[in-house]
Amino acid sequence: NAGVTQTPKFQVLKTGQSMTLQCAQDMNHNSMYWYRQDPGMGLRLIYYSASEGTTDKGEVPNGYNVSRLNKREFSLRLESAAPSQTSVYFCASSEIVTGGPTQYFGPGTRLLVL
Amino acid sequence: GEDVEQSLFLSVREGDSSVINCTYTDSSSTYLYWYKQEPGAGLQLLTYIFSNMDMKQDQRLTVLLNKKDKHLSLRIADTQTGDSAIYFCAEKGYSGAGSYQLTFGKGTKLSVIP
Repeated sequence: NAGVTQTPKFQVLKTGQSMTLQCAQDMNHNSMYWYRQDPGMGLRLIYYSASEGTTDKGEVPNGYNVSRLNKREFSLRLESAAPSQTSVYFCASSEIVTGGPTQYFGPGTRLLVL
Repeated sequence: GEDVEQSLFLSVREGDSSVINCTYTDSSSTYLYWYKQEPGAGLQLLTYIFSNMDMKQDQRLTVLLNKKDKHLSLRIADTQTGDSAIYFCAEKGYSGAGSYQLTFGKGTKLSVIP
């Protein structure tokens, strides 16, 4: 099993450009999550999807949209990128909605917005 | 809201024990976690402890939980240079829509001096 995969690994955007970060998991997990990691800030939750067909805002959702395409895939879209969105983005998935001990993380997408 | 606090830096000599501390605020947390992040990589689950346990040992790792003080610690015995990384403490709390979220600390950067 590949676990949680993310594409692309790196991306450079200009202010105002749009892009979609892709995430897929092959562990048959119901819940999926998008985080951003900034120096000295830890991980902050952007959006999550408790199950296929549902999405909810996390701590820092502004400037982002998400799509839970199917059970495997959860994408994060930046419609008009801003320098403040320069960050490392991590996707994660977890077993069942209210249980299971933990989340499994992808390798991250490093995004630079100029 | 939930908050997780941990010191930002720790430096130890190779062969010594490392102790990374964490405090949390959500008394209803069911699981508490330690994740490890090596440079340029995603988060890797190191260990976790269920809230009804006081201690968990796994090879060189010992987790201690003091529920009264809401204090969690990770002890790494015989610290090696390969243990140099950022260590994140996280707690699991329930959110709406029947799902749960992890709240992360800002991470403790462990530097191992040869």
